[in-house]
Amino acid sequence: GAVVSQHPSWVICKSGTSVKIECRSLDFQATTMFWYRQFPKQSLMLMATSNEGSKATYEQGVEKDKFLINHASLTLSTLTVTSAHPEDSSFYICSARDSGRRSYNEQFFGPGTRLTVL
Amino acid sequence: GDSVTQMEGPVTLSEEAFLTINCTYTATGYPSLFWYVQYPGEGLQLLLKATKADDKGSNKGFEATYRKETTSFHLEKGSVQVSDSAVYFCALSDGAAGNKLTFGGGTRVLVKP
Repeated sequence: GAVVSQHPSWVICKSGTSVKIECRSLDFQATTMFWYRQFPKQSLMLMATSNEGSKATYEQGVEKDKFLINHASLTLSTLTVTSAHPEDSSFYICSARDSGRRSYNEQFFGPGTRLTVL
Repeated sequence: GDSVTQMEGPVTLSEEAFLTINCTYTATGYPSLFWYVQYPGEGLQLLLKATKADDKGSNKGFEATYRKETTSFHLEKGSVQVSDSAVYFCALSDGAAGNKLTFGGGTRVLVKP
């Protein structure tokens, strides 16, 4: 149980285009999901907290107009990188918190999406 | 704010060697502590956790004890295998900070046959 998927697993796009990444909780409901960014050989940096049915909360320094987050259902959150540039190339990872678990502060991670902007 | 510091890698070991990865933290509240493992090409997996002082988390031969007096949560394994080669992340979740996870920088471990 507690499986989180991401789609696509990797994507290559041209500079200036937009890319959408999906994060799904497959066997549980998640009112809260998180989006992280991981640079090569570095740690995960939290970008934003996604709450079902409300606006995402962005961390300081993250452009909300560039990284659009939508959490329209209890099992799906999407991250759209708008007008992507080469510096947006990174590994994007989502996680989800199981709303039904007693240990509500545990997060379950997706496998990540590698974005390369040419 | 909250922070997690862990030893830099890479750590290179021979099979059956003893592994220790140091992790210390600072937090405003009373955090839960975690170790996550990331195998090559995969996402993070929870390895073990501890939610209060003196708790010991254990899984797959790995252990870590929540030491409040030294604000530490060092990861240990008595006999590593090649399959333990991965990146290990220490993290904390602080209720005073909305239970967001704060990660250490990660430690790459390479176990050679």
